[in-house]
Order: sequence, then structure tokens, then C-alpha cells
Amino acid sequence: DAGITQSPRYKITETGRQVTLMCHQTWSHSYMFWYRQDLGHGLRLIYYSAAADITDKGEVPDGYVVSRSKTENFPLTLESATRSQTSVYFCASSGTSGGTQYFGPGTRLLVL
Amino acid sequence: GESVGLHLPTLSVQEGDNSIINCAYSNSASDYFIWYKQESGKGPQFIIDIRSNMDKRQGQRVTVLLNKTVKHLSLQIAATQPGDSAVYFCADGDNYGQNFVFGPGTRLSVLP
Repeated sequence: DAGITQSPRYKITETGRQVTLMCHQTWSHSYMFWYRQDLGHGLRLIYYSAAADITDKGEVPDGYVVSRSKTENFPLTLESATRSQTSVYFCASSGTSGGTQYFGPGTRLLVL
Repeated sequence: GESVGLHLPTLSVQEGDNSIINCAYSNSASDYFIWYKQESGKGPQFIIDIRSNMDKRQGQRVTVLLNKTVKHLSLQIAATQPGDSAVYFCADGDNYGQNFVFGPGTRLSVLP
């Protein structure tokens, strides 16, 4: 019972590089989400997806791109990483609209 | 939840005592509320939820109280144990969207 997994768990990259964070869930949940967690801000929604091929912006989408070609995967790409994108990134999924979100273990990203 | 600035509030309790963690929310339209527990280096873990048509809900050793008049939510943990040490945060949302608002959290430290 894998649930929801994220990879990599830790990543160090340099400014300007492209980085992709992976998220995979085995529950066949329709809804998937990407958050970043920074001290003083709590969790902030980057993007979410209601189903395959349907994505919407959250509170802080700038500098990020998502795709959802398959229900179980929801990758997050930083097209040109900046230091301000150093953060812990959490993926979550939910089976229903507005329902409880279940979180992955997170990816710690450091942009030098 | 509402942001309370850069400093994470901390609550220290003696093992065996009851803990009460508070949360304020700002959206009058919120009708679904969740408490999460986040241990160091892990993703948020669902604890308990409550809908706006209730003012109290109990789980195993946890109780959530909702006061819609003052937009306040609390989490009570009975007989606090060392394993309860974590950051606890609330989230509120409505059934019409996916944009849950997460509070910055309260750090609970259980003293032996």
C-alpha cells in the first residue's frame, strides 16, 4: 500500500536549471495538489488538478509548470530555478472535491 | 487558518496533561475544517475533520471544537504523549473549490 509518494526526497540544484519533482498516488484519487511550505507562510498552493489533463493555478503558480497526463502522476517542473524556490514541496491527493487531502512525504529543494 | 507571522507558536505540556491548540480562520464561507499533524521531516498527516453543521467532533484522544460565530477552531488532545510532539495546523475550505487555507501551525512539545 504505497499511497502517495514523492521523488526525489532531496534535491540540490543551481539557479537557472530545470528541475522536475515527481508525485505518484495509488488511490486513483481524482484531485492532486502541489504545495510549498516555508517558515512563516505555512502551506501555499502552487497548482492543482481535478482530473487527468485538467490543471488550475493556485496561490503561487509563477515559475512552475505542471502536467497530468495520467491520473496517478502529477509532476511539478521548475523551468528555471531561482533561489526563492528553495523550499519543501508537498504533493497531496483527494478523492472528492473539497475533501480531505492526503500528503506525500515531501521533497526538500535547495537552489544555489 | 490565518498567518501569525514568522514565529511558530509553541505549546509545551507535561506528559499526561491535556493539550489545547487553537486556530483562527477568516473565511466566513468555509464549511469544512481539518486538523493535521506534521512530524519533523514528514508530510502532514490527517487527524480529524469537522463540517460547519457541527460544533464538536471526537476521535481517539482528540476532539475538535468549532465556533463559527468567532471563526475559531480548536484541537484538544487528551492525555498527551511524547509521540504527540509535532507541529499541528488547521486548514479550512469550502465545498466549491480546492483552495484550502492552511494555518502556519503550532508546535507542541511534550515534556517528560
